[in-house]
Amino acid sequence: QVHLQESGPGLVKPSETLSLTCTVSGFSINSGYYWGWIRQPPGKGLEWIGCIHHSGSTYYNPSLQSRLTISVDTSNNQFSLKLTSMTAADTAIYYCARDLTGLWGQGMLVTVSS
Amino acid sequence: EIVMTQSPATLSVSPGERVTLSCRASQSLNNNLAWYQQKPGQAPRLLIHGALTRATGIPARFSGSGSGSDFTLTISSLQSEDFAVYYCQQYNGWPRTFGRGTKVEIK
Repeated sequence: QVHLQESGPGLVKPSETLSLTCTVSGFSINSGYYWGWIRQPPGKGLEWIGCIHHSGSTYYNPSLQSRLTISVDTSNNQFSLKLTSMTAADTAIYYCARDLTGLWGQGMLVTVSS
Repeated sequence: EIVMTQSPATLSVSPGERVTLSCRASQSLNNNLAWYQQKPGQAPRLLIHGALTRATGIPARFSGSGSGSDFTLTISSLQSEDFAVYYCQQYNGWPRTFGRGTKVEIK
């Protein structure tokens, strides 16, 4: 059974960088698909952040592109997100997901606060 | 960027009623459209992909229709567990984009 699990800090200070990792089990990232991130501010809708292929090919949300890096670590079957210059507007539940397949992690709340 | 517009924002419905949710894209999607259901505290669940095809394990009361840029999710007879927020998402291009959602609430 394929499982995705987000990990990282639940609290980030303003202006700092958020680093999240998604660990995939039950399926090799090298086998295909794009692997991505979606976020959801409390009480609001879903925002697609970006995704990556095991080859390293990436697609980003233009509104976040200047602050965003998504990378893949195939040896550990993980992919990661780095979002710089965090503000309160970046407070959200962050989900990792396998593109197009409805397979999502449970999500983790990241709060930006001093 | 493809803009997805869902309507209505909120729908008040009684159990057993038929429900129709709308999703319109700013350009043609070649049926590359998915519908998700999200309940409080849960990750979204895929209901429909390819605009028409139910995902594995999704009850037959959920159906997707439409083509081009106009799509519909129909719930034939609303059950108590169907009260939730529904999102459409296009995957015809990058970036992937979601609609703002339709909340189906109890009347």
